[in-house]
Amino acid sequence: EVQLVESGGGLVQPGGSLRLSCAASGFSFSNYWMHWVRQAPGTGLVWVSRINGDGSTTTHADSVKGRFTISRDNAKNTLYLQVNSLRTEDTAVYYCTRGSTTVWGGFDPWGQGTLVTVSS
Amino acid sequence: DAVMTQSPLSLPVTLGQPASISCRSTQSLEHSGNTYLNWYHQRPGQSPRRLIYKVSNRDSGVPDRFSGSGSGTDFTLKISRVEAEDVGVYYCMQGTHYPYTFGQGTKLEIK
Repeated sequence: EVQLVESGGGLVQPGGSLRLSCAASGFSFSNYWMHWVRQAPGTGLVWVSRINGDGSTTTHADSVKGRFTISRDNAKNTLYLQVNSLRTEDTAVYYCTRGSTTVWGGFDPWGQGTLVTVSS
Repeated sequence: DAVMTQSPLSLPVTLGQPASISCRSTQSLEHSGNTYLNWYHQRPGQSPRRLIYKVSNRDSGVPDRFSGSGSGTDFTLKISRVEAEDVGVYYCMQGTHYPYTFGQGTKLEIK
């Protein structure tokens, strides 16, 4: 069974940092693009970051560029999102999700999400 | 960015009746013979689940009462007979253009 399990969320002050993790199992992790998608309370889904299978290509949404960094450890089947210089508007549930073997496509499955709350 | 616009945003439906959600993109979603339009369902308090990929392909385990259609910039998700478990929010999402973008969501509720 394909499974994604996020961790690392929590309450952090504005300007603070967190490292989100996503443990993957049940598939050939290194073959797939992986993504982070976030959902602020009561709102819709917003794509945040992507990384290709070997980790050589990463892209971030303009809203987080320069503050967030996506990475992966294929030996550990784990995806990461380092989130720095956090703002109150970054408060959201952050989902890890599997893309396809190419840059195009959709996301399936999704993890359960990890909540990041930015507040003083 | 390819802006995805869904309608309606709220959809009250009687059990057993059909339902339809429209999704329009500001850019064609066709790329090299494929059209990367996906549909997701999110129940309250749960993660999104993909129902449909590449316009009309149902994901594993998705009931056949769900169907997707469309091309280019106009797409539709149809539920032939709504069941109680279908409540929640439905999102379309395009995976053709960077950045990937989602529709605003359509909230389906039972009348």
